[in-house]
Amino acid sequence: DAKTTQPPSMDCAEGRAANLPCNHSTISGNEYVYWYRQIHSQGPQYIIHGLKNNETNEMASLIITEDRKSSTLILPHATLRDTAVYYCIVRNGSARQLTFGSGTQLTVLP
Amino acid sequence: NAGVMQNPRHLVRRRGQEARLRCSPMKGHSHVYWYRQLPEEGLKFMVYLQKENIIDESGMPKERFSAEFPKEGPSILRIQQVVRGDSAAYFCASSPYGGTTEAFFGQGTRLTVV
Repeated sequence: DAKTTQPPSMDCAEGRAANLPCNHSTISGNEYVYWYRQIHSQGPQYIIHGLKNNETNEMASLIITEDRKSSTLILPHATLRDTAVYYCIVRNGSARQLTFGSGTQLTVLP
Repeated sequence: NAGVMQNPRHLVRRRGQEARLRCSPMKGHSHVYWYRQLPEEGLKFMVYLQKENIIDESGMPKERFSAEFPKEGPSILRIQQVVRGDSAAYFCASSPYGGTTEAFFGQGTRLTVV
């Protein structure tokens, strides 16, 4: 699976959009981009995933650049409960596991 | 539809004892994954099972650790003769299929070896 690079930490004001970047410059054509988050001491929570088109669900939007070398997870109106470590994971269709990196610690500030 | 259920949530064992961690996948899910998170570290894949079969155990320590997912009942992660270094959070995830479908995680079992 392709390696991902994320900033170690970010802050965001409550009510504003949180934009979390992820670089995956070695991604190959059959690899998907997944986002999970882990709120302190809890199990990871699936957020969203995509292949090349932008995706949106009730939690977030995923914007993937045209060359697929990077992506951005957008939480449109961050709340204090969105404070968590966010993991960007690249995974191919036959992969049997998720490979978690260090992620980005997002802190939503009041 | 209940989520992935893990029990116990907290488990304390003395060195040399056995630890048994249980995971009941979401209804309709036949794929189970176990991950370990050591203190202040990231999540590491351990093993992937389908009903009655171990598909990938490339992340399992070679000794003392075993996993099963019987036809009936929960998946079990078993750690024999626990040592202090086994202290960690153990998370189970399940999915309805393999491949790119999203996996849903339980709340974990926190094992403390004293």
